Amino acid sequence: ELKVEQNPLFLSMQEGKNYTIYCNYSTTSDRLYWYRQDPGKSLESLFVLLSNGAVKQEGRLMASLDTKARLSTLHITAAVHDLSATYFCAVDNRRSGAGSYQLTFGKGTKLSVIP
Amino acid sequence: NAGVTQTPKFQVLKTGQSMTLQCAQDMNHEYMSWYRQDPGMGLRLIHYSVGAGITDQGEVPNGYNVSRSTTEDFPLRLLSAAPSQTSVYFCASSYSRQGGGYTFGSGTRLTVV
Repeated sequence: ELKVEQNPLFLSMQEGKNYTIYCNYSTTSDRLYWYRQDPGKSLESLFVLLSNGAVKQEGRLMASLDTKARLSTLHITAAVHDLSATYFCAVDNRRSGAGSYQLTFGKGTKLSVIP
Repeated sequence: NAGVTQTPKFQVLKTGQSMTLQCAQDMNHEYMSWYRQDPGMGLRLIHYSVGAGITDQGEVPNGYNVSRSTTEDFPLRLLSAAPSQTSVYFCASSYSRQGGGYTFGSGTRLTVV
């Protein structure tokens, strides 16, 4: 059974600071996703990481994937208040022909950026 | 292009009542799935479908039923609602081939009293 662990689960940080959210998973996977969720809203796709060593950046967020360590990170640079949200990683163990399609989520990291 | 459409957005049920949450997508995605989101639990997979006529259970299937008669629609039925089914429900769809990302609906907030 695939398990996905995120940490920290809660993160309070000051504007302008840097921090990293970690996502560990337990079995080999095809791809990893990062989502953002604002209160009362649906999930917004941030990044799709497809291979070992993949790095993607969008604004103040950068995500990376190390499939050998089964670890993904979401790095926040110079945080601003607008980044306050809950961030989820999700691991896709969809395999061609295997007939199993499971997207397993971490429990989420609630980020609060304080002015 | 509407993406993934869920109805209703909000619903209050009494214990023992049944209802159907609707999910429709217009992207010709083969894969559709239902998740429930509870505080502190992330999203957990209830049921999924890899095409019309094909469904399978996820992590928390008990108390829910699904069918997939068309590519576009994937309704979730609560057979006899219980307070433990109070949650926010999300439908998602994707191409089943490798490389497809997931599109999520806006969610249904269900309260069972």
